Amino acid sequence: GESVGLHLPTLSVQEGDNSIINCAYSNSASDYFIWYKQESGKGPQFIIDIRSNMDKRQGQRVTVLLNKTVKHLSLQIAATQPGDSAVYFCAPHSGSARQLTFGSGTQLTVLP
Amino acid sequence: NAGVTQTPKFQVLKTGQSMTLQCAQDMNHEYMSWYRQDPGMGLRLIHYSVGAGITDQGEVPNGYNVSRSTTEDFPLRLLSAAPSQTSVYFCASSQGREKLFFGSGTQLSVL
Repeated sequence: GESVGLHLPTLSVQEGDNSIINCAYSNSASDYFIWYKQESGKGPQFIIDIRSNMDKRQGQRVTVLLNKTVKHLSLQIAATQPGDSAVYFCAPHSGSARQLTFGSGTQLTVLP
Repeated sequence: NAGVTQTPKFQVLKTGQSMTLQCAQDMNHEYMSWYRQDPGMGLRLIHYSVGAGITDQGEVPNGYNVSRSTTEDFPLRLLSAAPSQTSVYFCASSQGREKLFFGSGTQLSVL
């Protein structure tokens, strides 16, 4: 099965600073990775995804970096805003599994 | 376009009672799943379905049943509620292996 870990369970950043959330995975067969954001009292929401044939993908204020060699990915949020305060999950997919594995998440708190 | 709709939002049960959590999606997604989320933990997969008439167990299936008679609906049944089933339950759907769309959750307390 998949083992998903997060380097930091909590992260506090000043408003306007950049945030980096890390995620380690163990299954080398994982070939598709999704980041979700979960605000308090709500269901997780898709942020950005990346496939294993890429090592970087950018969205609006977010960038995901994938390092398959060390089985690590990160989510970078530029100019962090109060609305970015949430729990962030990474979810690796492998071709043979219909199941998604989620880590415990990283709680991002944006300080004024 | 409602997306994924879960009912009820809140539920309190007594130990031993049974109930069904409802989930419906209007995106014609083949894949649907149920997760539970406990405090300080990630989402754990209970059951999933890859299409009408097809269901399979996830990581924590004990105490729960599912069925998938239509593409749209994927109810989760608690057979005999136990305090260990106190949790927040999320239903999700997706098309193929793409991103999941989640419902807003059902907060369940079993006394």
